[in-house]
Amino acid sequence: DQQVKQNSPSLSVQEGRISILNCDYTNSMFDYFLWYKKYPAEGPTFLISISSIKDKNEDGRFTVFLNKSAKHLSLHIVPSQPGDSAVYFCAASGINNQGGKLIFGQGTELSVKP
Amino acid sequence: ETGVTQTPRHLVMGMTNKKSLKCEQHLGHNAMYWYKQSAKKPLELMFVYNFKEQTENNSVPSRFSPECPNSSHLFLHLHTLQPEDSALYLCASSQDFRGASGANVLTFGAGSRLTVL
Repeated sequence: DQQVKQNSPSLSVQEGRISILNCDYTNSMFDYFLWYKKYPAEGPTFLISISSIKDKNEDGRFTVFLNKSAKHLSLHIVPSQPGDSAVYFCAASGINNQGGKLIFGQGTELSVKP
Repeated sequence: ETGVTQTPRHLVMGMTNKKSLKCEQHLGHNAMYWYKQSAKKPLELMFVYNFKEQTENNSVPSRFSPECPNSSHLFLHLHTLQPEDSALYLCASSQDFRGASGANVLTFGAGSRLTVL
C-alpha cells in the first residue's frame, strides 16, 4: 500500500504563473515532509521541508503547505520559471523516529513553458 | 570531488553476470542508503547503513547484496539478476539515521542506470 501519493504524473504551467504540486499521505505517524527536485541524469536534490508542527514554510519562490487533518501537502512555486522544469517528489518520514527512512511519492513532472 | 558519487553511471549486464555498483560520499555523513527507482514508481528504499551497520533491509531479494566497508563507501553487489531489476539505483547519505525527524536530509548521487538483458 502506497503511503505517499502524488496523483498527478505531470503538470504544465506558463512561465510567470503559479505551479501547485500536490501530495497525499495515509500514515498519521509521519511528522516531517520534504520535497525533492530531480533533473534528468541527476539525483534528486532537496528543495524544502516542513515539520508537522507547522502548516506553512516558505523559501523564496517555494512555499510548502501542510494540512494535517486532510493528510495533504502542496508545493507552490511562484513565479514559475523554465528552469523549474523537473520531476518533483514529495517524501515523508518520522515513523518511530527513523528520520532517515524517507517514503517517497511517485513524482510529478513539471513543465514550465516560456 | 564533493557530494555523493556513484559509479558506473550506466551498466548493462546479462542475467548470469556478477557486477557491483559503487557509491562514495565526501560529506562526512554517517548513514548511507540504496534506493531503487523503477519507471513510474516511487523511489523504494532498499538498504540503510548507519555507522557501517545495516539497520534496514526492505525485503530485498538476496540477488542484491550490500556492503559498507566504512562510512564513506557503499557497494551494491549484483548477481543473477532478472530483467525486472532494470532500474535506476540511487545512493544517498545523511548525517545520521536515527536522529530527530528533520535532521536527516538525504543527499543523493546521480544514480546508476542498470539494464538487465
